[in-house]
Amino acid sequence: EIVLTQSPGTLSLSPGERATLSCRASQIISSSHLAWFQQKPGQAPRLLIYGAYSRATGIPDRFSGSASGTDFTLIIRRLEPEDFAMYYCQHYGSTPLTFGGGTKVEIK
Amino acid sequence: QVQLQQSGPGLVRPSQTLSLACAISGDSVSSNSAAWNWIRQSPSRGLEWLGRTYYYASKWYNDYAPSVKSRISINPDTSKNQFSLQLNSVTPEDTAVYYCARLANYMDVWGKGTTVTVSS
Repeated sequence: EIVLTQSPGTLSLSPGERATLSCRASQIISSSHLAWFQQKPGQAPRLLIYGAYSRATGIPDRFSGSASGTDFTLIIRRLEPEDFAMYYCQHYGSTPLTFGGGTKVEIK
Repeated sequence: QVQLQQSGPGLVRPSQTLSLACAISGDSVSSNSAAWNWIRQSPSRGLEWLGRTYYYASKWYNDYAPSVKSRISINPDTSKNQFSLQLNSVTPEDTAVYYCARLANYMDVWGKGTTVTVSS
């Protein structure tokens, strides 16, 4: 089973600042099968990034993803008020599919 | 536009069977290019993938998470264009929000979630 470790657990930032979220896989995985989700209280996760780099339909270009070996990164270029939420990475290339423990982006 | 509509009880007694359904609109449970998944979320376990069903080369397949493999069944219902989750012998540890989701090339469509509490 592929374990995904997200850091930091919480990121305290102000609107307009840049957010950098990390996700490390326990073994080499294809970047084609790494996704990022945003989740707000009481809502289902929303797909932001798939294939490590590609934005899902309707996702603003301030969200970007990158990959290097077992390390994956989600960058939110300039935080908008609606971006304060939980973020999860997911591996979906093989079973069992797994999720990271999440990073909370909160208002400083 | 693909949508998933979940249904099922919010309260299940310990040792009983948890049963949920996920009705699909805008796609087909028999699609050759999608897998239909169940995921749950709890404070103690985070987001946990439970399993999936999919149709390929005229045959149905299932994959299940090791943590629930002995207790779970996910089944398609082509007459209703939906798929279901059955989780047997539940305990309070199975209390969670349960989601259904489509995985085509990525997991892009989710149901709204059903809060299931296991309690006597």
